Amino acid sequence: GESVGLHLPTLSVQEGDNSIINCAYSNSASDYFIWYKQESGKGPQFIIDIRSNMDKRQGQRVTVLLNKTVKHLSLQIAATQPGDSAVYFCAESGANSKLTFGKGITLSVRP
Amino acid sequence: GAGVSQSPRYKVAKRGQDVALRCDPISGHVSLFWYQQALGQGPEFLTYFQNEAQLDKSGLPSDRFFAERPEGSVSTLKIQRTQQEDSAVYLCASSSWGGLALGEQYFGPGTRLTVT
Repeated sequence: GESVGLHLPTLSVQEGDNSIINCAYSNSASDYFIWYKQESGKGPQFIIDIRSNMDKRQGQRVTVLLNKTVKHLSLQIAATQPGDSAVYFCAESGANSKLTFGKGITLSVRP
Repeated sequence: GAGVSQSPRYKVAKRGQDVALRCDPISGHVSLFWYQQALGQGPEFLTYFQNEAQLDKSGLPSDRFFAERPEGSVSTLKIQRTQQEDSAVYLCASSSWGGLALGEQYFGPGTRLTVT
């Protein structure tokens, strides 16, 4: 079946270091991808999105990379801060289809 | 500016009871989505409204689940005869875009439903 998944359940990084969160997707028809951040007791918060006609998109301290050849998505966070500690989800969709979320990875920032 | 709000934030129901969960989307947002999030999992799509029209309800797990958005703004998710497997966080999201996956969806804080 089609799925979106994350390679690692947890990621621990030192404050100030860069973080890389990876995601694999299996639906080759997917053309829209989003990263969400979810803090405890809150709903997911949009971080950055990318469409399949791009392979890289940058935001403030975040970069999303898309490799359609191997169906891989990554989120890079520069100079990770304690406030970045949360669960991160990748989500994907195809044309006019609902978002499918991955299982989530916990990012823990060590002071 | 107000974001998406949901009420109640927490709901405890005895098995067999009916519950109603409310979502107030961002004013003027065309699209409204309901998701179910089990502990440690990503949100799973339940249903989608464009204005008052329910265009996709393919994710509703059973006919005990019912959603409405009669005036194209506030939405209610109703679960009849709750079961323990219904325990989850129910998230509502809205978007200014029409369509299932166009544009950014803004999520509410969710309602945590516990069925005992």
